[in-house]
Amino acid sequence: SQTIHQWPATLVQPVGSPLSLECTVEGTSNPNLYWYRQAAGRGLQLLFYSVGIGQISSEVPQNLSASRPQDRQFILSSKKLLLSDSGFYLCAWLQGNEQYFGPGTRLTVT
Amino acid sequence: AQSVTQLDSQVPVFEEAPVELRCNYSSSVSVYLFWYVQYPNQGLQLLLKYLSGSTLVKGINGFEAEFNKSQTSFHLRKPSVHISDTAEYFCAVINSGYALNFGKGTSLLVTP
Repeated sequence: SQTIHQWPATLVQPVGSPLSLECTVEGTSNPNLYWYRQAAGRGLQLLFYSVGIGQISSEVPQNLSASRPQDRQFILSSKKLLLSDSGFYLCAWLQGNEQYFGPGTRLTVT
Repeated sequence: AQSVTQLDSQVPVFEEAPVELRCNYSSSVSVYLFWYVQYPNQGLQLLLKYLSGSTLVKGINGFEAEFNKSQTSFHLRKPSVHISDTAEYFCAVINSGYALNFGKGTSLLVTP
């Protein structure tokens, strides 16, 4: 069966520090992968999606970036975090026409 | 891009009462619509989806939704809620790349 992992589960980082969040999927090959952010009072926002290795589509201009170095790995990064980057980051993969979500990473920027 | 609007940010309801969470979508062309549930500090779980066919869609945990093309709505219903249904509920529509565009969510609070 397919599973999706995200780490770390929680993270507290100072403003201006770098960020790397990782998402991996098991049990499937070449899935579409997605990064969403849930910020307080702002619902769920699509950040990036990828249909294959090295293929990234950005939905919202910001100081975040994404990479897909391997088929089942999707990484969210930042060189310098802002206070507004705080939130709950969710990774998802696509099977058919349904998305399945990981457990999320809670990021607090202080 | 297609979008959805959730009309209620919070819905309080007593246990065993019926509930309806409202969602309207933006486009009159073919849409794929979803309802997800999020329990505190967890990821999202799919409740149900509408792709085509029957306009009444049944999902998990006793929830159902009705696709109404004339009213561009996809409201979520449950005839009798439990305390355990307390959660955040999100309506969503698919856009390019099968990415989801979510509504702002409805917080369902079930009290005894």
